[in-house]
Amino acid sequence: AQSVAQPEDQVNVAEGNPLTVKCTYSVSGNPYLFWYVQYPNRGLQFLLKYITGDNLVKGSYGFEAEFNKSQTSFHLKKPSALVSDSALYFCAVRSSKSTFGDGTTLTVKP
Amino acid sequence: NAGVTQTPKFQVLKTGQSMTLQCAQDMNHNSMYWYRQDPGMGLRLIYYSASEGTTDKGEVPNGYNVSRLNKREFSLRLESAAPSQTSVYFCASTKSGRASGNEQFFGPGTRLTVL
Repeated sequence: AQSVAQPEDQVNVAEGNPLTVKCTYSVSGNPYLFWYVQYPNRGLQFLLKYITGDNLVKGSYGFEAEFNKSQTSFHLKKPSALVSDSALYFCAVRSSKSTFGDGTTLTVKP
Repeated sequence: NAGVTQTPKFQVLKTGQSMTLQCAQDMNHNSMYWYRQDPGMGLRLIYYSASEGTTDKGEVPNGYNVSRLNKREFSLRLESAAPSQTSVYFCASTKSGRASGNEQFFGPGTRLTVL
C-alpha cells in the first residue's frame, strides 16, 4: 500500500535559521513527490515537485527539497526561514493515486 | 484566471439535511477531485473524476455523491448529513490524471458543520 509519513507534527525554528520539514514515503514503482503549503483558512498551494532527474528540486519562495531514493525521503528545506513561512506543510506522493501526509505545522519565531 | 472556486465558503446543517457543494475551475483541466480535511488526518479523497462524464470513488465515499456536470464543474452532494461529515472540504483539479506528474490546484475550501 502507498503511504506518506511526516514524522513531526510541529517544527519550530528561529527566523534566519535553516529549516527542514521531513517526509518519507512507501510506494511501489517510481513515484512523483510533491510539497504543498496551507495558510490559515486557505486551500493548499503547490510548492515544488520531483518527477525525475536532479535529486535537488527548487520551488517557490526559496524552498527546495531533496529526493533520496535509498532512504525513500523527500525532505523540504530552506536556508533561511522567514516568519511568513509559518504555515501547515503537506508532503504528497503519487503513483497510481495521490496520498497526502498528515501535515507538519511550521512556526518561525522572530 | 480565478483558478478553482468553491461555494459556499461556510455552511451549517442539521442532521439529515441535504446540500450540494459546488466547484468550478477555469484552467481547462481534465481531472477534478473532492477531499475532506480533518485535524491530524491530512487530506482524504472522497471522489475523483478523470474527465468529463466519469467519476470514481476515493478512500471515503460513503454518504456522498458527485456529478461532473461538464469539464469545468464538479459538485459534491450530501444526501443526509451526519455529524461525522463535519469537516473542511476541498475541491482540486489537475491537467491530467491522478497518476500523472501534474500538481493539483486547490480551491479555498468549504467549512461544513453538521449539528
